[in-house]
Parts: sequence; structure tokens; C-alpha cells
Amino acid sequence: AQKITQTQPGMFVQEKEAVTLDCTYDTSDQSYGLFWYKQPSSGEMIFLIYQGSYDEQNATEGRYSLNFQKARKSANLVISASQLGDSAMYFCAMREGTRDDKIIFGKGTRLHILP
Amino acid sequence: GAGVSQSPSNKVTEKGKDVELRCDPISGHTALYWYRQRLGQGLEFLIYFQGNSAPDKSGLPSDRFSAERTGESVSTLTIQRTQQEDSAVYLCASSRSRGGAVIRNTEAFFGQGTRLTVV
Repeated sequence: AQKITQTQPGMFVQEKEAVTLDCTYDTSDQSYGLFWYKQPSSGEMIFLIYQGSYDEQNATEGRYSLNFQKARKSANLVISASQLGDSAMYFCAMREGTRDDKIIFGKGTRLHILP
Repeated sequence: GAGVSQSPSNKVTEKGKDVELRCDPISGHTALYWYRQRLGQGLEFLIYFQGNSAPDKSGLPSDRFSAERTGESVSTLTIQRTQQEDSAVYLCASSRSRGGAVIRNTEAFFGQGTRLTVV
């Protein structure tokens, strides 16, 4: 079964608008971490933001914020005031707190920012 | 070096040949991952090393794939008798230990990848 689900294969957003990229996850662990990565066309993987399952506040990093809804097992990435350089593939990932604690990734969402 | 280093950056090989891909993780990172990414696709987990524990090989697609890691340093991913469907970018990543029951910020740092083309 999929542990990380990203339901939007592609999105088109007008420059300067906010955008929300969806991510739901599946785990029975109480302790886990959630991550978002950006992969531009160059192929590099860029870490954006982290949310711990015990963190009481939603994580924020500059224009990135994570809308963490623990009961719904949802960890959506919000990008405010989108820019052309935000066009990229975005991956949601999870690391569980059990011994099986490898980082697993969703299939990604390709974001296109339109001028 | 400061980051994760992978070599070679590009490899073209003939079908049926063996290839070896190398990953040099960030010093002090006990966790090391290999992922495969086909063109336009997501990251497919292959194998995970965590310290001295037995590696998690659950993602290896066939017995043609194997990986080794020397202590907490260099890892090599070997693909024997390569097939055209093995063509992909192979990404290596490393991270700090998760540090107990509560996950701390242990993001994976990625190398630039090895682009493998089997002709």
C-alpha cells in the first residue's frame, strides 16, 4: 500500500498566486517526520521543509509552510507568492519512528508557474 | 567533501554488462539510501543502510541488483547483466541518525545522481 500519496500529478498556477500541494500519508507510528523536496529540471533534490509528528505548530521556512493536519494524516505544502523559479517537481516524504525508518517518497507533483 | 558525492555522473553501458555506482556520503551520516528515478517519475526506494544494522534491501527490483557499504562511509551499488529497463538516474542520499523515538530533523541530503543509460 502507498504510504505517501500525492494526488496531483501536475498543476498550473499563475505567478504571484499561492499554491497548495497535497500530501497524505499512512503510518501507525506515533513518532514520524515529514519532508518536502523540490526537484528543478536540473535534477538536484532540494530540501524545503520538515514537520515532526510531535510538533505543535506548523513548520514554516520563508515562503514555504506546511499545513499539518495530524488527524487527517495530511501534510500539504503551501507556497506563498509563487515565482517562476518555483516551477519544478515537488516530492513529499516520510520517515517513521520504528526500526524501519527509511525515508520514502511520494510520486511527486509537477508544478508549472505561469507568467 | 561537504556534500554527498556520486560517481560517475554519467554511464553508458552495453546491455548485459555489469556496472558499479559509487556514493560517498556526508561524514558522520549513519544512514545511506539508494533510489532510482526513471525519466519523469518519482523516487523508487532501492536499499537503506543504517549504521551497523542489516540493510533494508526490500526495494531491490531483482537479484541483479546489490549494494555494499563499508562501515559508515562509501557505498557501491552494483547492477549485473544490465538491461535497458535499468536506464535511469540513480540517486544516493545520506542523513543523520533519527536519534531515538522522536524523529528530529533528519532530512536526507542527496548527491547529483548517476545517469545510467543501457544501450
